[in-house]
Amino acid sequence: EAQVTQNPRYLITVTGKKLTVTCSQNMNHEYMSWYRQDPGLGLRQIYYSMNVEVTDKGDVPEGYKVSRKEKRNFPLILESPSPNQTSLYFCASSSMSGGTDTQYFGPGTRLTVL
Amino acid sequence: SQKIEQNSEALNIQEGKTATLTCNYTNYSPAYLQWYRQDPGRGPVFLLLIRENEKEKRKERLKVTFDTTLKQSLFHITASQPADSATYLCARSDSNSGYALNFGKGTSLLVTP
Repeated sequence: EAQVTQNPRYLITVTGKKLTVTCSQNMNHEYMSWYRQDPGLGLRQIYYSMNVEVTDKGDVPEGYKVSRKEKRNFPLILESPSPNQTSLYFCASSSMSGGTDTQYFGPGTRLTVL
Repeated sequence: SQKIEQNSEALNIQEGKTATLTCNYTNYSPAYLQWYRQDPGRGPVFLLLIRENEKEKRKERLKVTFDTTLKQSLFHITASQPADSATYLCARSDSNSGYALNFGKGTSLLVTP
């Protein structure tokens, strides 16, 4: 089954404790992206990657890091989480060969930073 | 960045009626607009895509229109059912955006029996 998976699905942590949210897709998609979703603000892009070892900032990259060492994986790293990073996070992937950028989203990771 | 605006007020309609959701964009027309459905706490799911040079697209009970004069897309669900209750997101894609999608904040639809 074609899918995007994220882990963990729920995470409660404390300020300053480094964490990683994993994202993996099995569709051989070149493009992968991270979003955060907050009430009243909608989906905002954090980082994206157009291929292995190619990453770029989205609209709200501050406080986040990403890496793309393999095509299928695109982890999101919070080196020193803060309470304002409490949010619902989505990973998405898309094929760049189909002529459109329809995105397939993961199930989401609900992060709470105390 | 180019804006996408959706009606923030929830839309409540009766089962069997047609639901119409609006998406307005600013400045130049996007290469295409996409519509997604999102259920609470879950990831958005792609529904339909319409290109700048298309006026209308259909898929089963769904219809999307693209009016470049009004800078607007309308999303219709005919014969609506309670299971259609969800938040619907509009997203624009620009050919120079590097595959980044710019999402609207979504409109919540509630279909009552």
